Amino acid sequence: DAKTTQPTSMDCAEGRAANLPCNHSTISGNEYVYWYRQIHSQGPQYIIHGLKNNETNEMASLIITEDRKSSTLILPHATLRDTAVYYCIVRVANTGNQFYFGTGTSLTVIP
Amino acid sequence: GAVVSQHPSRVICKSGTSVKIECRSLDFQATTMFWYRQFPKQSLMLMATSNEGSKATYEQGVEKDKFLINHASLTLSTLTVTSAHPEDSSFYICSARGVEYNEQFFGPGTRLTVL
Repeated sequence: DAKTTQPTSMDCAEGRAANLPCNHSTISGNEYVYWYRQIHSQGPQYIIHGLKNNETNEMASLIITEDRKSSTLILPHATLRDTAVYYCIVRVANTGNQFYFGTGTSLTVIP
Repeated sequence: GAVVSQHPSRVICKSGTSVKIECRSLDFQATTMFWYRQFPKQSLMLMATSNEGSKATYEQGVEKDKFLINHASLTLSTLTVTSAHPEDSSFYICSARGVEYNEQFFGPGTRLTVL
């Protein structure tokens, strides 16, 4: 699976949009981009995933660049409960393949 | 999304004893389950992958005789930490994937403390 690079930490003001970047320059054509987050001492929570088109759900939006070498997770109106570590993972979908977690981005939402 | 549970949520045991952790998919059939562990301030480390009815596949460096994994049904996988030692103290997390999903769903984790 392709390696991903994320900033170690970010801050965001409550109510503002949080934009979390992820670089995956070696991504293959059949690999999807997945985002999970982990709130302290809990299991990771699925957020969103996509292949090449931008995706949106009730939690977030995922913007993938045209060359697919990077993506951005957008939390449109961050709340204090969004404080967590956010992981960007790339892997082939529709398989039993494993997720390998990187170090993620620790997002702190500030009141 | 689908729900995955773990039991127990927290366990404290003496050194040398064995501990069993259960992982259940509550509303879907999990063809594949994964076990991770996470040390403080670190990321999740994949330990093993198990498919229902098959032997688990362990990641490099994970002792299969120490971390016994059983995936006997499509809704249950168990991880047994045998002869636990203080260095096995960690946060153990399972995840599950069903054929109808592209994503994995994670359990809430089990905090193991070995005294």
